[in-house]
Amino acid sequence: NAGVTQTPKFRILKIGQSMTLQCTQDMNHNYMYWYRQDPGMGLKLIYYSVGAGITDKGEVPNGYNVSRSTTEDFPLRLELAAPSQTSVYFCASSYAQISNQPQHFGDGTRLSIL
Amino acid sequence: DAKTTQPTSMDCAEGRAANLPCNHSTISGNEYVYWYRQIHSQGPQYIIHGLKNNETNEMASLIITEDRKSSTLILPHATLRDTAVYYCIVRVLSNFGNEKLTFGTGTRLTIIP
Repeated sequence: NAGVTQTPKFRILKIGQSMTLQCTQDMNHNYMYWYRQDPGMGLKLIYYSVGAGITDKGEVPNGYNVSRSTTEDFPLRLELAAPSQTSVYFCASSYAQISNQPQHFGDGTRLSIL
Repeated sequence: DAKTTQPTSMDCAEGRAANLPCNHSTISGNEYVYWYRQIHSQGPQYIIHGLKNNETNEMASLIITEDRKSSTLILPHATLRDTAVYYCIVRVLSNFGNEKLTFGTGTRLTIIP
């Protein structure tokens, strides 16, 4: 079972470059999320989506954009990479809004901005 | 939003029960307690969750105090593969009714051979 798949696993960018982190899930989940995790810290929510065509900001959205054209895919875009965006990025999905549904996470994308 | 407090680190001998405490004294009546863990370099993994009653699944048991102000995750027979950071999380609804997980820094559990 694939679950939540993130690509690429690793990437090095130069300051000012742009890139898209890909996330896809095969569980037909309505909710999808992007988190970042800095070294030694917990996860912080960047953006989330409650369904195709609907997205909203999380705690730390600045410098990022998202789109949700299908239920399966939720890409995260960095337009002008900055060193502060060096982090590990996790995508997650869950079935529904109600509190008793757990989130399922991908294995992350490790991004370094130099 | 309800906050959680966990010890920074703990050790447990292999084969013993690992008991991880969590304090969530400001939890509200409709908030669930969730436990996730993160093994080095991997994405967080869901373990268990509960509202009021104690819960058990194939991975762990969750004991929630009667006043719901604290809980304990129990790994009954810890193995080396249980070495990870364990996060205790209270599920929060945002202003628009959509959920987010608020991760703290968790407890780093080390299983000792």
